[in-house]
Amino acid sequence: EPEVTQTPSHQVTQMGQEVILRCVPISNHLYFYWYRQILGQKVEFLVSFYNNEISEKSEIFDDQFSVERPDGSNFTLKIRSTKLEDSAMYFCASSLGLGPQHFGDGTRLSIL
Amino acid sequence: DQQVKQNSPSLSVQEGRISILNCDYTNSMFDYFLWYKKYPAEGPTFLISISSIKDKNEDGRFTVFLNKSAKHLSLHIVPSQPGDSAVYFCAARAGANNLFFGTGTRLTVIP
Repeated sequence: EPEVTQTPSHQVTQMGQEVILRCVPISNHLYFYWYRQILGQKVEFLVSFYNNEISEKSEIFDDQFSVERPDGSNFTLKIRSTKLEDSAMYFCASSLGLGPQHFGDGTRLSIL
Repeated sequence: DQQVKQNSPSLSVQEGRISILNCDYTNSMFDYFLWYKKYPAEGPTFLISISSIKDKNEDGRFTVFLNKSAKHLSLHIVPSQPGDSAVYFCAARAGANNLFFGTGTRLTVIP
């Protein structure tokens, strides 16, 4: 069964450094998403992406965040200058249309 | 953000019995509801969904019930199996927008 893959599984970064989280969505899906889950809290929406542009973003997704689909298969989340509070599990998801979103196994981001 | 609530953090059920997981929501614009299952160190896995035009959707051992007037949905698993032990998340969406998640219920199925 096709799945969403995320790399790396764990990323450790110094505060203030840039980090790029990578995702390969399911190949025929058209909608792409990033969510995050801070330890002990809910899964929270960050951004959705469709037709090569951001379709929706949350308050969390400020100017330090950006997304890109550099080619036909990858979908990346960049955090320009990481803060301690960016430490979380980051999940990528994709969907074919308005059906269910399918999630990857996440990247654990640890900011030191 | 309390738009989707799962008030029971945990539930224990004997193998073979029914598991009932509950979820409440506040936003009347939600029109699509999903249940996800999550194991440690994995992402949420989609289980079953229901559109607001229905009140029941069934897939094998899993049935989701939606009560729009009460803004309540539930997931029934019958019969429960030890492999069903996981954290279950309820999620909801309004139109083509993002998902709002509940805090999850940890289900333990006792052999």
